[in-house]
Amino acid sequence: QSVLTQPPSVSAAPGQKVTISCSGSSSNIGKNYVSWYQHLPGTAPKLLIYENNKRPSGIPDRFSGSKSATSATLGITGLQTGDEADFYCGTWDSSLSAVVFGGGTKLTVL
Amino acid sequence: EVQLVESGGGLVQPGRSLRLSCTGSGFSFGDYDMSWFRQAPGKGLEWVGFIRRRAYGGTSEYAASVKGRFSISRDDSKNIAYLQMNSLKTEDTAVYYCTRTRVVRWFDPWGQGTLVTVSS
Repeated sequence: QSVLTQPPSVSAAPGQKVTISCSGSSSNIGKNYVSWYQHLPGTAPKLLIYENNKRPSGIPDRFSGSKSATSATLGITGLQTGDEADFYCGTWDSSLSAVVFGGGTKLTVL
Repeated sequence: EVQLVESGGGLVQPGRSLRLSCTGSGFSFGDYDMSWFRQAPGKGLEWVGFIRRRAYGGTSEYAASVKGRFSISRDDSKNIAYLQMNSLKTEDTAVYYCTRTRVVRWFDPWGQGTLVTVSS
């Protein structure tokens, strides 16, 4: 059972938009920055969004992040088949003194 | 290019120890905190622990699941972070990743991972 809650899977057609939610609490998302990662099993996870809504260089603006109270959202527009992967949200939990991640969301581009 | 490479994985019996290494290149290693994650078969990413840079005391924090069994250390002169794993259990079987971080606000980049299999 992960501290952060994500939907197990989402799907959409190529070219469409999808959002992935990440729900936490006042001790984690409520008071700390959220980051998002894309992971294809067998490869190195990739940072997509940091400090809630910032994109590292090289990450296209099709990827966006937002945070409100104790929830965060990753948005992906103009979906491509190459976007298929597992996506994770993560943050620091001040009560647990631990990094916490969501259980991951599998994106399928139909 | 900023790069991290893990090594030291393999097959180990329950109760034994193993040490993983993470070698960094392309950046000032001592200026960053370093963290370890793992992914068990069929599971998601799980944080294992991190070690702060020397300027912030070089102390470390661990996930409850490994506290007391695992420890992280670093040798900034060699650009290496270590994960010492003791009293290994079958549930520690996973691909272990190291990653660079700053105050655990983000983790980037990640290494390719090294597989640890705990089995008799």
